[in-house]
Formats: sequence, C-alpha cells, structure tokens
Amino acid sequence: NAGVMQNPRHLVRRRGQEARLRCSPMKGHSHVYWYRQLPEEGLKFMVYLQKENIIDESGMPKERFSAEFPKEGPSILRIQQVVRGDSAAYFCASSPPEGRQGVLDGYTFGSGTRLTVV
Amino acid sequence: QKEVEQDPGPLSVPEGAIVSLNCTYSNSAFQYFMWYRQYSRKGPELLMYTYSSGNKEDGRFTAQVDKSSKYISLFIRDSQPSDSATYLCAMTDMNTGFQKLVFGTGTRLLVSP
Repeated sequence: NAGVMQNPRHLVRRRGQEARLRCSPMKGHSHVYWYRQLPEEGLKFMVYLQKENIIDESGMPKERFSAEFPKEGPSILRIQQVVRGDSAAYFCASSPPEGRQGVLDGYTFGSGTRLTVV
Repeated sequence: QKEVEQDPGPLSVPEGAIVSLNCTYSNSAFQYFMWYRQYSRKGPELLMYTYSSGNKEDGRFTAQVDKSSKYISLFIRDSQPSDSATYLCAMTDMNTGFQKLVFGTGTRLLVSP
C-alpha cells in the first residue's frame, strides 16, 4: 500500500501564477482532506471532499482557492494568482468511508507539498 | 483565543526521561482527541486517539483526557532519540463534523543521547 501520494513535493511559483497540487488517496479511501501548515503554526483544515462532491469547504479562503476530487484521477488543490502569503506546506489526508472510528483510525496524511511563492 | 493551545517548545530531555506534552482547548464540544507525531519534512502520523475523558496506553505512550479541565496530555516513557519530532494534538467537534481535525501548533521535542 503506497500510502497517500502528493506531488510535487516542492513547488516554486512567481506571484500571480497558478499552483496546482495533486493528491492520490490510499487505496480503498474515498474521503480526501486538505490542510495548510504555515510556518510556526499548526495544520489548518481547508476542505473535505468525496468523489465529485465538496462536503465541507469552511476552511477555504473565499477567493483564488478551489479543490476538486473527480471520479477518475487525483484530488487537485488549485491556487490562482498566488501571493507570498500562500507560501506554506499543504497536506492532503485520506480516510476510509466506514464509521466514525474507521475514519479516525484510517486518517492518513501524505508528506505534503511545500509551496514557495517568489 | 485559539481553540487549541499548545506550547511550541522546544522541549529538550535526555534519553530515558519521561516526557509530558500537553494541550488545552476551549471548545467543550470536542469529543475525540488525537496525538500525531511529525518528523521534519514529513506528514503527521497518528500515534493514538481517545474518546471523551480517560486514559489510553500503547507501549511507551499514554494519552490522558480531562474534559472537566479541557486539558489533554501525552506521556512518553523511556524516551529515545528517535522520538525527536514535533508532536501535534488534534481534536474533533462532533457538531461540525468529526472528519475535520482542529490542531494545536505542535511541540518540538528533542531527546539527546
């Protein structure tokens, strides 16, 4: 089991460009979550998705950020017109669909994408 | 005020020491309490979680929850240099969805040989 795969591991973008971060969940996991970790801060929830559905996007900035989890392929976190304040580590997690304890036991994080905006 | 408070450290201890890591929180609706370990440049890894108040033990690790004080702890016995990492507490509010984890800022632990 390859675990949660995120790519790229490092991404450098100039201000105003677009950043696309990809996440492939663990096999058998149908729930995907995105978190952002700013320097000296803990992880902050951004969005929770199931296949073709956004379940909870309460942590997503209102502008420039979007996320999708299509029927086929990885989940994508897209940041348009990046600014320096978007520089952070972005972590994806996935979990199985069954039951409360199943979700928490199986909640697995990837190694993250470190975005640097120059 | 942050929902979850955690001392960032660093906490430096000699090998073999007992380590105590703590978090306080303000939201009384939190019911599941998790501890994650994060090595540098890696993703968080779940160590253990507890439901509501009480203790849970797993090997050298013991988690405690005191809901009346809104205070949770992780104890590490016989600490090893390989335990050097950042330890993150996390919790879930059943009212807003148990899948959404609320994290502390993490405590950096350094165990010297």
